[in-house]
Amino acid sequence: DAKTTQPNSMESNEEEPVHLPCNHSTISGTDYIHWYRQLPSQGPEYVIHGLTSNVNNRMASLAIAEDRKSSTLILHRATLRDAAVYYCILSAYSGGGADGLTFGKGTHLIIQP
Amino acid sequence: KAGVTQTPRYLIKTRGQQVTLSCSPISGHRSVSWYQQTPGQGLQFLFEYFSETQRNKGNFPGRFSGRQFSNSRSEMNVSTLELGDSALYLCASSPGQGGSYGYTFGSGTRLTVV
Repeated sequence: DAKTTQPNSMESNEEEPVHLPCNHSTISGTDYIHWYRQLPSQGPEYVIHGLTSNVNNRMASLAIAEDRKSSTLILHRATLRDAAVYYCILSAYSGGGADGLTFGKGTHLIIQP
Repeated sequence: KAGVTQTPRYLIKTRGQQVTLSCSPISGHRSVSWYQQTPGQGLQFLFEYFSETQRNKGNFPGRFSGRQFSNSRSEMNVSTLELGDSALYLCASSPGQGGSYGYTFGSGTRLTVV
């Protein structure tokens, strides 16, 4: 399975932008880059995903490097509700069936008021 | 639009018993996958169903099984429960298969085996 590397934790201030990095140097051409976040005692929440081009939605932006070996999740204006564990995951379809999402340890994002 | 619904939310079972968990995906979603989350192992993929067929399976013993019905609802079953099966079981649904679709997760079923 293609793997991702994320910092264990990051800290940011409320109302400031947050840039969460993810390295995926062994990414293949069919791998989509997914981001999910999980708050305590809740199931993971979909944030954003993309293949090659940068993506924006109401929650965040995803910036993908030209060689696709790294990506950055951008929260434009962090709030206390954004404090969560953020997972960067590669997801692909491999013929017979979709590969399940392989969750690593993620980045624990701390937001200071 | 209703989200992914998992029932029950909490469950306590005795070692050796079996348990069935239910998942109702978002309307129109045809893919359902299951995950186990424990403090020690984190989130681990159990299996994925699409069009009533198991398409992929994670590294879990045969005691863990599942099925999907024609309306895309899914159930997972764990037989001969062990203490180590205590975990949060999460279901996720997606419109189709593959990385081009995002997954929507339910809130999970918290299983405690005593």
